[in-house]
Amino acid sequence: NAGVTQTPKFQVLKTGQSMTLQCAQDMNHEYMSWYRQDPGMGLRLIHYSVGAGITDQGEVPNGYNVSRSTTEDFPLRLLSAAPSQTSVYFCATQAASYEQYFGPGTRLTVT
Amino acid sequence: GENVEQHPSTLSVQEGDSAVIKCTYSDSASNYFPWYKQELGKRPQLIIDIRSNVGEKKDQRIAVTLNKTAKHFSLHITETQPEDSAVYFCAATPQYGNKLVFGAGTILRVKS
Repeated sequence: NAGVTQTPKFQVLKTGQSMTLQCAQDMNHEYMSWYRQDPGMGLRLIHYSVGAGITDQGEVPNGYNVSRSTTEDFPLRLLSAAPSQTSVYFCATQAASYEQYFGPGTRLTVT
Repeated sequence: GENVEQHPSTLSVQEGDSAVIKCTYSDSASNYFPWYKQELGKRPQLIIDIRSNVGEKKDQRIAVTLNKTAKHFSLHITETQPEDSAVYFCAATPQYGNKLVFGAGTILRVKS
């Protein structure tokens, strides 16, 4: 069981570039979410999904898109990267017990 | 929407002492309150959680208390050990796990 996996682990982008952060899970959890973590600000919810075909916005959705075509995958797209999007990004799934399982994270730097 | 405030931002204790971290929340409808521990460079991991129908929950050296009237909840760690050193996050949600709102975190240092 891989649990929650994220790729890449590290990424450097130039301002204006686009990219997709990948998240996959083999836990068969319906709920998945994306967070960003910045120093002194905790984890902030970007987007979440309660099941395949359903997504919704969290606290800080601007500049990000998501889709959920399967239960297993929940990619996060940055359409036009900005330095303010430099952060560590965590994908998470939620069990029926409400516990959230986090992926290992992607450290993104936008120059 | 929900807002969660966490104090203190840093906490240093001697090994063997107790540590207490406090969080307040704004949405009286919130019903689920987890605590996560994050070691340096690692992912957050759940250490304990409490639901709104319970006032206190213990798991070995860790306990969480909830005061719904005052809208605050606290994490208590007894007999602290160096391996307890980490960042601790509280969170709350009115939707049983969905749309968790996290506090800013507390850096706990246990000095041996």
